[in-house]
Amino acid sequence: GQQLNQSPQSMFIQEGEDVSMNCTSSSIFNTWLWYKQDPGEGPVLLIALYKAGELTSNGRLTAQFGITRKDSFLNISASIPSDVGIYFCAGRSGSEKLVFGKGTKLTVNP
Amino acid sequence: EAGVVQSPRYKIIEKKQPVAFWCNPISGHNTLYWYRQNLGQGPELLIRYENEEAVDDSQLPKDRFSAERLKGVDSTLKIQPAELGDSAVYLCASSLGGLSGRDTQYFGPGTRLTVL
Repeated sequence: GQQLNQSPQSMFIQEGEDVSMNCTSSSIFNTWLWYKQDPGEGPVLLIALYKAGELTSNGRLTAQFGITRKDSFLNISASIPSDVGIYFCAGRSGSEKLVFGKGTKLTVNP
Repeated sequence: EAGVVQSPRYKIIEKKQPVAFWCNPISGHNTLYWYRQNLGQGPELLIRYENEEAVDDSQLPKDRFSAERLKGVDSTLKIQPAELGDSAVYLCASSLGGLSGRDTQYFGPGTRLTVL
């Protein structure tokens, strides 16, 4: 099925470093969502974006809805060990189904 | 408030056997989703219910998969017979519903299916 292009696939960083990941799509979306999934759990919503150009923060997390409506990025500042997990972007056009990226696996070394 | 509940959490079966998964959504949520998540991939929608009506089942392999949501609350997803390629995590999600485009989906922990 259709999927978004999410990069990087994996990241290995030191505690305290900043992280950036992004998603691109060939389709225009009206909604961009960022989820985090821990092992053995379902995805948990981190940030929701509904307007082109929108920049939204949730604690140390910041995400932006690209102006072209075909991309979004997520930044994590000052990473900590509990940031470890898989981060997924997801996009939706109108009332269509959510389409997920393949995820970015984040490893934080203490 | 309880989240989305799924059972079992893990299931190991031999190919050609039937299997069923159960989901209890968040109380008051009218919309229920079943997703399949293959290893190293994001979730992919199998079916979406609005109350007891399946409104999007275009991605459900209907030859072997079936789902129901009796009374518009709990839902079951069944595979009969299972194939090796069905090994995956099956996620259930629920949301309040509506056409605002800002309907947040809450996911359960998933059922990890292994077909031998």
